[in-house]
Parts: sequence; C-alpha cells; structure tokens
Amino acid sequence: KAGVTQTPRYLIKTRGQQVTLSCSPISGHRSVSWYQQTPGQGLQFLFEYFSETQRNKGNFPGRFSGRQFSNSRSEMNVSTLELGDSALYLCASSLSGANYGYTFGSGTRLTVV
Amino acid sequence: KQEVTQIPAALSVPEGENLVLNCSFTDSAIYNLQWFRQDPGKGLTSLLLIQSSQREQTSGRLNASLDKSSGRSTLYIAASQPGDSATYLCAVRPLSGGGADGLTFGKGTHLIIQP
Repeated sequence: KAGVTQTPRYLIKTRGQQVTLSCSPISGHRSVSWYQQTPGQGLQFLFEYFSETQRNKGNFPGRFSGRQFSNSRSEMNVSTLELGDSALYLCASSLSGANYGYTFGSGTRLTVV
Repeated sequence: KQEVTQIPAALSVPEGENLVLNCSFTDSAIYNLQWFRQDPGKGLTSLLLIQSSQREQTSGRLNASLDKSSGRSTLYIAASQPGDSATYLCAVRPLSGGGADGLTFGKGTHLIIQP
C-alpha cells in the first residue's frame, strides 16, 4: 500500500517567486492536511481539506493557499516568497472521521534565497 | 489555546536502557493523541495513536499511556537500541472544529541511544 507521496522533495526559490507543492494521499484517504516545520516554531498547522473543501486554516497569511482535487490529491501554493518561508512542508492524510490518526509524507524541503 | 509541552527536550542514554518520554497538554478536550518519530530531514512516522477514551496502547517495545484528565501522556521505550535514535513528537487532535483544526504538536524530544 503506497504511502503519502509529496513532490518535489527539494526546491530552491528566489524571494518574490511563487511555489506549488503537491501531495498524493493514501488511497481511500479523503482528508489531507498541511504543516510547516521550522527549527524555531516547530510543526504548525496550515490547512485541512476534505472532499475538495477547506475545512480549516491555521494562522498563516493569505500568501499560503491550497486546494484539493476530486481524486483527493492536494496542492499548496505560496506566493511572493519570503526568506522566512524556508521550511519543511509536510502533508498528512487520514480516513474521514476525527478518531483516525494521520499518516505523513516525507515532506518538501523549500529553501528561499 | 492548546499547548503541548515535551520533556525532556533532549536525552542521551546507553543502549539497553528503558526510558520514558513525557508529553503534557493544556486542554483535555481532545479526540486523540498521537506519537511520532522523525529522523533527521525526514517526514513523520506514526508510532501509536491513543483515543481519548483509552488509557494506553502498545506496539512492540513501545507503550504509550494517556491521562486525559491531567493532560499527560508518556511514551515508554523498552530495551532501547541505537536505531531508536530520533526526535519523538507528541501531537493532540482537539475537539474544536470537529477535528478539522489540525494537530497541535510539541517541540519534541531528541533522543540519542549510545551503542
């Protein structure tokens, strides 16, 4: 059974550019959430999607956005990149229902220069 | 606002020892608590999931307990091995938002097992 797949694994972007990260959940998982991990702030919740609808969003500026497709695959987009956006971005998927745990992908390491 | 604290922040022990990692959370209104391990530069690997109605879960050499009323969880690792070296993260899923508020993570315990 394939796990959560995130692409690309590494990205280097320049300040002011935008970036799109992709996440393919485990087959049958309809809930996808995104997290940002930095050395200073740790892991922080970005947003959660279920059936193509954003259910909630964490405390991040509007430059961070996402979407989910009908096959449950998800993308997140960061516009007007800042140096502080350099981080490991992790995607997690789950079966529907709050009692299920999350399975995480290997992450995308974004470096903004 | 839910806060999760993990103690100690770092731990180094000789191989073979039994050890306990601690996690505390401020709001007991949770669906569940999940323990993860993270190897350097990698994603998170789920170790154990404890529902709010459960007291403990076991998987191999790992045992996690949950005392929801006191806001505490422990992860017990028996007979530690060098391969257990990693950062261990505790995360709670709050009841708020119907479970859609995402996980709240602690900062982790960086564990080193000396051969």
